[in-house]
Amino acid sequence: DTAVSQTPKYLVTQMGNDKSIKCEQNLGHDTMYWYKQDSKKFLKIMFSYNNKELIINETVPNRFSPKSPDKAHLNLHINSLELGDSAVYFCASSQAGTDTQYFGPGTRLTVL
Amino acid sequence: DAKTTQPPSMDCAEGRAANLPCNHSTISGNEYVYWYRQIHSQGPQYIIHGLKNNETNEMASLIITEDRKSSTLILPHATLRDTAVYYCIVRVADGGATNKLIFGTGTLLAVQP
Repeated sequence: DTAVSQTPKYLVTQMGNDKSIKCEQNLGHDTMYWYKQDSKKFLKIMFSYNNKELIINETVPNRFSPKSPDKAHLNLHINSLELGDSAVYFCASSQAGTDTQYFGPGTRLTVL
Repeated sequence: DAKTTQPPSMDCAEGRAANLPCNHSTISGNEYVYWYRQIHSQGPQYIIHGLKNNETNEMASLIITEDRKSSTLILPHATLRDTAVYYCIVRVADGGATNKLIFGTGTLLAVQP
């Protein structure tokens, strides 16, 4: 069973479009994250949610809106996509009280 | 969180031990050392972490110097599948209140056949 899953794995779209990436974890964790890895391979945190509440927002443009319908899901919606949004987006989860994070396989977003 | 310094790349022969160093000279007393790795086109994977004592699990061993200013991750018998970027991260173990992992550039370990 996949612990942290993301869909889709690849996403190719035009500038200006709106798209969503979904993340689900079956580990029973109550904290979930979104990270962005750019073309230079730098991996940076974007958001963190704990029990469906936003904990960390790393000055990400408000075109990015995470949504957590329940503890097991954290989706990322991106409005008005720009060329610079092209990257690999990773979802992760962890259990409260620990700092060990489990990452999903990533979603490669390409904006044309 | 304290910063870490790692060599950009290392080679290791298959079957030999891989020793990956990390300097964290400004580490604070309440900061742990974490190691993650990222195999090409995959998400980062947790390996091991420690505070003061050496740690070992099924994947690796972590050796932390007595002054805690540096550490070494040891993969005892490297295989080709261990080829990855290895990240050394130090962070305060605050029970997850601000679970922000700050990734550096890491060390690209290339295991050679």
